[in-house]
Amino acid sequence: DAGITQSPRHKVTETGTPVTLRCHQTENHRYMYWYRQDPGHGLRLIHYSYGVKDTDKGEVSDGYSVSRSKTEDFLLTLESATSSQTSVYFCAIASGYGETQYFGPGTRLLVL
Amino acid sequence: DAKTTQPTSMDCAEGRAANLPCNHSTISGNEYVYWYRQIHSQGPQYIIHGLKNNETNEMASLIITEDRKSSTLILPHATLRDTAVYYCIVRVGFKAGGSYIPTFGRGTSLIVHP
Repeated sequence: DAGITQSPRHKVTETGTPVTLRCHQTENHRYMYWYRQDPGHGLRLIHYSYGVKDTDKGEVSDGYSVSRSKTEDFLLTLESATSSQTSVYFCAIASGYGETQYFGPGTRLLVL
Repeated sequence: DAKTTQPTSMDCAEGRAANLPCNHSTISGNEYVYWYRQIHSQGPQYIIHGLKNNETNEMASLIITEDRKSSTLILPHATLRDTAVYYCIVRVGFKAGGSYIPTFGRGTSLIVHP
């Protein structure tokens, strides 16, 4: 399995609080992605990165920001969490042109 | 970009072959067919991909028709642990910053029963 870890794996927080999720890889892959998965919507891309300090928005980026200061870490921040951001968050990595993605175990976030 | 059509659900007996179909009639000549699966509560897992030749690895076989308009993922001896949602992807999505972003549709829910 690709070396991807996500932390925390589970988190409960309150509306309005900031939350940061971490994705860490040991594969030295160029591309990293954050997705969210909700019932009825499948996997939706939030943000992705194509290199250190190079990031771009996905289809559901509102309310989220990301940072990648080194190859191995990609952080997803919810500046002020809302109940609509309750979801399962997956990180993925890819090499080459990103054709083949490898996913982390996911983080379950509950915003009360 | 090519879109895919998969059955919503299928079932298979343990030990038998599971054949999961995918239609991609608008596929273009340089687009690959990718298969992923997602076991409940886990992240999606890459299975296999191909362009026009049949492919086989330790997990599965991929059969692509000669006209490339459809493909079949074959799990030769399905086990209970193969119960999952299987996604067929034809490099749909957008390419930005040099990365292809796959779009995961609804996939096929495969249930393997004893």
